[in-house]
Amino acid sequence: GDSVTQTEGPVTVSESESLIINCTYSATSIAYPNLFWYVRYPGEGLQLLLKVITAGQKGSSRGFEATYNKETTSFHLQKASVQESDSAVYYCALGDLGSSGSWQLIFGSGTQLTVMP
Amino acid sequence: GGIITQTPKFLIGQEGQKLTLKCQQNFNHDTMYWYRQDSGKGLRLIYYSITENDLQKGDLSEGYDASREKKSSFSLTVTSAQKNEMAVFLCASSPGTANTEVFFGKGTRLTVV
Repeated sequence: GDSVTQTEGPVTVSESESLIINCTYSATSIAYPNLFWYVRYPGEGLQLLLKVITAGQKGSSRGFEATYNKETTSFHLQKASVQESDSAVYYCALGDLGSSGSWQLIFGSGTQLTVMP
Repeated sequence: GGIITQTPKFLIGQEGQKLTLKCQQNFNHDTMYWYRQDSGKGLRLIYYSITENDLQKGDLSEGYDASREKKSSFSLTVTSAQKNEMAVFLCASSPGTANTEVFFGKGTRLTVV
């Protein structure tokens, strides 16, 4: 079945440093799945950070970027300069149509990020 | 905008007990989901429903029942709570079509004593 593998946490970086959280995927149902990054800030629910539905395209939000690379089956999350408010748990996810034809997400295990002031 | 409301936020049960978690959404979404989140693991799909009265099993459905009696609500029942059930259960909804965002509730934390 489909799977998503991402950087194991916890990850700790200092404010203004750069960040990369790796994500690779395996999709058996469809050739080009949709790819997502979700984030859970402390005390809040899981929410969409960014998504890319076309291979080769880049998504961006709140200073984060991720490029859909079908050759390496990767969707790494990057930010040039992190802030303390970026401390959260980040989940990479793959979207495809399940056996019933309905849309569903397959999640990675999540990466806890702590940004030190 | 809409919201997904999960009740209760915290649920404490005894081993062997039958426990029910509830979820309401006001997005008017067709598809609803129940995920389980264990520490250090990703979200794993328990059940989902593509319309009222529909149920589809996810990878983790054994030991659970679900019910979608109305479009806006989706409940999950732990049929016999076990100590290793301690986890956060997340309800979600989406329009159900490809490429669309899935919206999540804040979760119910289950503790089995």
